[in-house]
Amino acid sequence: DSGVTQTPKHLITATGQRVTLRCSPRSGDLSVYWYQQSLDQGLQFLIQYYNGEERAKGNILERFSAQQFPDLHSELNLSSLELGDSALYFCASSVAGQVTEQFFGPGTRLTVL
Amino acid sequence: QQQVKQSPQSLIVQKGGISIINCAYENTAFDYFPWYQQFPGKGPALLIAIRPDVSEKKEGRFTISFNKSAKQFSLHIMDSQPGDSATYFCAASSRGQNFVFGPGTRLSVLP
Repeated sequence: DSGVTQTPKHLITATGQRVTLRCSPRSGDLSVYWYQQSLDQGLQFLIQYYNGEERAKGNILERFSAQQFPDLHSELNLSSLELGDSALYFCASSVAGQVTEQFFGPGTRLTVL
Repeated sequence: QQQVKQSPQSLIVQKGGISIINCAYENTAFDYFPWYQQFPGKGPALLIAIRPDVSEKKEGRFTISFNKSAKQFSLHIMDSQPGDSATYFCAASSRGQNFVFGPGTRLSVLP
C-alpha cells in the first residue's frame, strides 16, 4: 500500500458526460501528479500540482482539468468524454515538487460507453 | 526529444536467469531515471532509480546500468523469480517534473 488513495475504483459513463476523479496524497506529500494509462499509449503524464499550484503540464487535453485543494487532495475533471478516454487514471504523490520519488495510487478505471 | 524508448516489448526468462531491459533517451536535460514495476490491477511501484552522476546502482537483485554518453540505461534482474513477472517501465524526468515513461516491458519468468 503506497498510502495514496484514489476514488472511485471503477467508473462507467457515457460519451459526452463529465466525471471527477479524486486523489488523496500520502501524508506529508505536497506534490500530486496525474497520469493516464491506456493499452496503446502507455503511461502518459498529464499534470502536476505542488502545494495547490500547477507545476508542470504534460499531454493533458483541453477537455480535462485538475486542481489541488488546500488540504492537498486533488481532483481530475474529465468532460465531453469520448470513447478514447477509456483508460486507467493514476495519481501519484511526492514530498516536494523537486523530489523525484513518486508513490502511485491504485488507479481509477474509466470506461466510456 | 521527450520520448523514452524501451526494449524489448516482452521478455520470457527461465527462473534463475538474468532479465535485461534497455531504455534510451534523447533529452540531455533529464536528470533522474527511475524504473517502475507494475502488477496487473495495481499502480506502478518504484523499484530503483539512478542519477546521471553514477554509472551503476545495485539494490538486491536489481541493478541499473547507466551510460551517459550513449544516453542509455538498463535494468538487470539477477536470479529472476516467477514473482518478478510484471510489467516494467523505465522513465526519465528533469528537475522532478514532466515525467516521461517508456512503453513498458512485460516480463514472464517461467518456473
